[in-house]
Amino acid sequence: AQSVTQLGSHVSVSEGALVLLRCNYSSSVPPYLFWYVQYPNQGLQLLLKYTSAATLVKGINGFEAEFKKSETSFHLTKPSAHMSDAAEYFCAVTYAGNNRKLIWGLGTSLAVNP
Amino acid sequence: NAGVTQTPKFQVLKTGQSMTLQCAQDMNHNSMYWYRQDPGMGLRLIYYSASEGTTDKGEVPNGYNVSRLNKREFSLRLESAAPSQTSVYFCASISGSYEQYFGPGTRLTVT
Repeated sequence: AQSVTQLGSHVSVSEGALVLLRCNYSSSVPPYLFWYVQYPNQGLQLLLKYTSAATLVKGINGFEAEFKKSETSFHLTKPSAHMSDAAEYFCAVTYAGNNRKLIWGLGTSLAVNP
Repeated sequence: NAGVTQTPKFQVLKTGQSMTLQCAQDMNHNSMYWYRQDPGMGLRLIYYSASEGTTDKGEVPNGYNVSRLNKREFSLRLESAAPSQTSVYFCASISGSYEQYFGPGTRLTVT
């Protein structure tokens, strides 16, 4: 069965430091992978997606993620954190033929300290 | 282009009361979803509709019903609200490239 694991429910970084949010997936078929961001009291917004094209995917707000099939990972990174990056981040996976249902990780809350 | 809209934004119910959460999308998407979000539990799928005229249960359907009124609208009904249904409810639709678009959410409290 497909699943998503986000390592670390809370991550804290200093402003200007590297952001690394980890996501591992389990899928027996080629996956489509996504990162979403949720700011306080808002809905979720797509940050970036991998759908079998380039393995390094660039998203909005300076975030990027690399699909590593051998490691079944899709970690999210940003070279330099900004205070406005403080939010909840969700990794999700789906695959063709799943009725377009996404399987969600439990989320990682990112805090950015001044 | 409003995307996905939800009403109401906030609601307080007493145990046993009923209510319907409304959702509409203007992106001509076939598939629509209802999730609930609780602290530490991520997003859990309640019901989904792969296309107009079809609905299917997700992970946590008990206590809920849905109606796919037309291609645009997908409503969620709580027939007899319970405190365990206190949550934030999100509606979403999905594009042909698998991107989900979310509404702003409904914050429901059942006392």
